[in-house]
Amino acid sequence: SQQGEEDPQALSIQEGENATMNCSYKTSINNLQWYRQNSGRGLVHLILIRSNEREKHSGRLRVTLDTSKKSSSLLITASRAADTASYFCATGQGAQKLVFGQGTRLTINP
Amino acid sequence: DTAVSQTPKYLVTQMGNDKSIKCEQNLGHDTMYWYKQDSKKFLKIMFSYNNKELIINETVPNRFSPKSPDKAHLNLHINSLELGDSAVYFCASSYTNRGTDTQYFGPGTRLTVL
Repeated sequence: SQQGEEDPQALSIQEGENATMNCSYKTSINNLQWYRQNSGRGLVHLILIRSNEREKHSGRLRVTLDTSKKSSSLLITASRAADTASYFCATGQGAQKLVFGQGTRLTINP
Repeated sequence: DTAVSQTPKYLVTQMGNDKSIKCEQNLGHDTMYWYKQDSKKFLKIMFSYNNKELIINETVPNRFSPKSPDKAHLNLHINSLELGDSAVYFCASSYTNRGTDTQYFGPGTRLTVL
């Protein structure tokens, strides 16, 4: 089954820098969501962007969606140590399910 | 107040045993899910129930049997455990079964099969 693919698989930056993660997918979608997973915990929803939207903001998060390229990006500005986590994109396919990618492991160094 | 809870958090067992994982949500959601996250962090849906009715069954071996006694509970029973079943299992719920709904995840159950 089709899945989102995050890029890079791992990212390490200094506190205060911006972090950009990308997600590509293969089939048409009705929405794309980003989730965060702290080590040893469940996933937490961050933001949802619908297929007819191009950009969305939530606090320090900025998500873009390019349906022609079948890709999305998640930008975290002014990163903090607490942002260290894995970030997953999930594509809403059809009526009933989300398909998750493998995630990007983000490490923020103090 | 925990929105989606799972028990146990850790489960270590021998190959061939049968085990169950329980999940409860107090969000009033209609839809619940079971996911499996492997060692490479890949998260894959296994089952989905909407109002106690099975709506998604993603090519999971029939050793795995979900049961939803009511819409707030979704349990997962696994028969004849195999080494490859070792993973973290997450329960999740959403308001409806629309693919646009936000999903709320439990803390996970780390299953280790020896």
